[in-house]
Parts: sequence; C-alpha cells; structure tokens
Amino acid sequence: DGGITQSPKYLFRKEGQNVTLSCEQNLNHDAMYWYRQDPGQGLRLIYYSQIVNDFQKGDIAEGYSVSREKKESFPLTVTSAQKNPTAFYLCATRLRHVFDEQFFGPGTRLTVL
Amino acid sequence: DQQVKQNSPSLSVQEGRISILNCDYTNSMFDYFLWYKKYPAEGPTFLISISSIKDKNEDGRFTVFLNKSAKHLSLHIVPSQPGDSAVYFCAARNTGNQFYFGTGTSLTVIP
Repeated sequence: DGGITQSPKYLFRKEGQNVTLSCEQNLNHDAMYWYRQDPGQGLRLIYYSQIVNDFQKGDIAEGYSVSREKKESFPLTVTSAQKNPTAFYLCATRLRHVFDEQFFGPGTRLTVL
Repeated sequence: DQQVKQNSPSLSVQEGRISILNCDYTNSMFDYFLWYKKYPAEGPTFLISISSIKDKNEDGRFTVFLNKSAKHLSLHIVPSQPGDSAVYFCAARNTGNQFYFGTGTSLTVIP
C-alpha cells in the first residue's frame, strides 16, 4: 500500500518546546517538500529536498529545520524560534523527472499552547 | 509577496452548470501550472496541469486554460457535480522545482 504517512494527525505542544513532525513515504519519490497552511492562506513552502542529504530553504524557513538522511524520510522540526507555529503542516513528494504533480500526505495539525 | 493569486475566495454554482475558477500569477518564469482539490483536514490531490508552452489541457470534465500574455489561468469544470465541492488551489512551478500556491477558492455545487 504505497503512500505518504504523516503522524500524528493532531499534535499539541507547550510554547518554547521543539517538536518534530514526521513524514515517511514508500513511493520511491526523490523530492520531498514541507508546506504550512494557515486559515485563509495558500500553502507556503518551508523546506524542500530533491535528493538525500540535500535540502533547500523555502520562503518561510525561519524557525524550522529539516534533515534528509534517508530517501523515505523528511522530518521537520519546529523550533522555539518559530513565532507562530500553530498551523496545518503538509508533506509532499514528487518524482524527480515528473515536472508537475506532487503527492500530498494527510497533514498534521500542530497546536502550540 | 504573493506570486500566485486567486482573487475569489468562494464560488457557488448550480449542479450541471459550468464552474470557472481563476488564477493570476506574476512570475513569467513559471513553467508548469497545476490545479489541486482539497477537502478539510486532508492533503490536496492533484487534478490537472498545463505546461507553459500550451494554452489548453483537457481531462474529462476538467479543462485548464493558460493565457501567458495576461499571466492568467483558469479551470473549467463542466458539468459541475455536488462531489466537486471543495477548495481548489492553483499552483505554479519554477525551474528550481519550487511550487507556489494561491490562497484557494472554495467551490460549492448546489444540487
């Protein structure tokens, strides 16, 4: 059963704590992306990775960090430096030589109390 | 700075009629344009795309039109069905494999 797994679906953390969101895929896709969605806004790119051990900042990378040690995994850490971390976080993947379609995971709703 | 804009936050259409969703962009270097459909608390699903070298792409009930001179694209759904009710996002890809999304248009198809 191929797909993208983001767990958990809902996550609560206290202000000032770092939290790591997981994204796992078994689609054998090369590229992986992290987006953030806020109410009334589109998806904004946080970080993306086109191959293992390489990643680039998106438009809103401040306060976030990522790693890409394995092709299947692209975890996102929301650090205490992120001023407004409460949001819906989406992970996506893409085959390297497919220029359009991205496949999205189900998302994680992070609430910082 | 929003590079992809959807100026209509919502649209209501009668079942069986045509739905037209619009999108504008500012970056002339975008090479692919996409439409995604999204339900609440789920990830978006890909609907249809168009290369910047084309002006139309059709897939069943869905057609995307691209007007490069106006930096405008539109998604036509005909005939509209109640199951089409969702939020539709327009997106654009640059040559660095970054994707930029609009703010979405919520489509309601009235039975």
